[in-house]
Amino acid sequence: ETGVTQSPTHLIKTRGQQVTLRCSSQSGHNTVSWYQQALGQGPQFIFQYYREEENGRGNFPPRFSGLQFPNYSSELNVNALELDDSALYLCASSLGLAQETQYFGPGTRLLVL
Amino acid sequence: EDKVVQSPLSLVVHEGDTVTLNCSYEVTNFRSLLWYKQEKKAPTFLFMLTSSGIEKKSGRLSSILDKKELFSILNITATQTGDSAVYLCAVPNFGNEKLTFGTGTRLTIIP
Repeated sequence: ETGVTQSPTHLIKTRGQQVTLRCSSQSGHNTVSWYQQALGQGPQFIFQYYREEENGRGNFPPRFSGLQFPNYSSELNVNALELDDSALYLCASSLGLAQETQYFGPGTRLLVL
Repeated sequence: EDKVVQSPLSLVVHEGDTVTLNCSYEVTNFRSLLWYKQEKKAPTFLFMLTSSGIEKKSGRLSSILDKKELFSILNITATQTGDSAVYLCAVPNFGNEKLTFGTGTRLTIIP
């Protein structure tokens, strides 16, 4: 059984650029959630995808968007990057909507200059 | 809005000491509370608690929930340097799509 994987591990972008982060869910998990973790803070919920549909969204602007594919992998896209978008982006997968426990990947550390 | 508060924010102890980490919460339609350990990047799942007074245990780590007083504690006995990490507490919302996290407790174990 493979765990949650994310790519890339690190990324440096400049303000105004766009970025795409990728996540492969744990084997058998059909639900993927994305979180943003700023330095010294707990993760903040961005959105969740279940069977390729968005199933809940946190307080993030529309320039944060996502996709889930038929194999349950997922992408997070951020347009018009701002300096405050610098953070660790975590992907978590779970076994359906009835399961509270989410399993996290290693994250992508994004630096916006 | 669901809320999770952890204390202390940081803790430095010597190897072999016992530590207690605290987590209080306010959540609509409580279902469970989860503890995670975050060493470098990926938070790793430790425990899920759903019922009051029942202790969950894994080796030197244990956790208990008080649903009446709305808090949980995580105990680590005979601490080791490998226990150094940020410990996060989280509660899911009713639909399970969102975990609300506290800011974490940064635990440092000195050899």
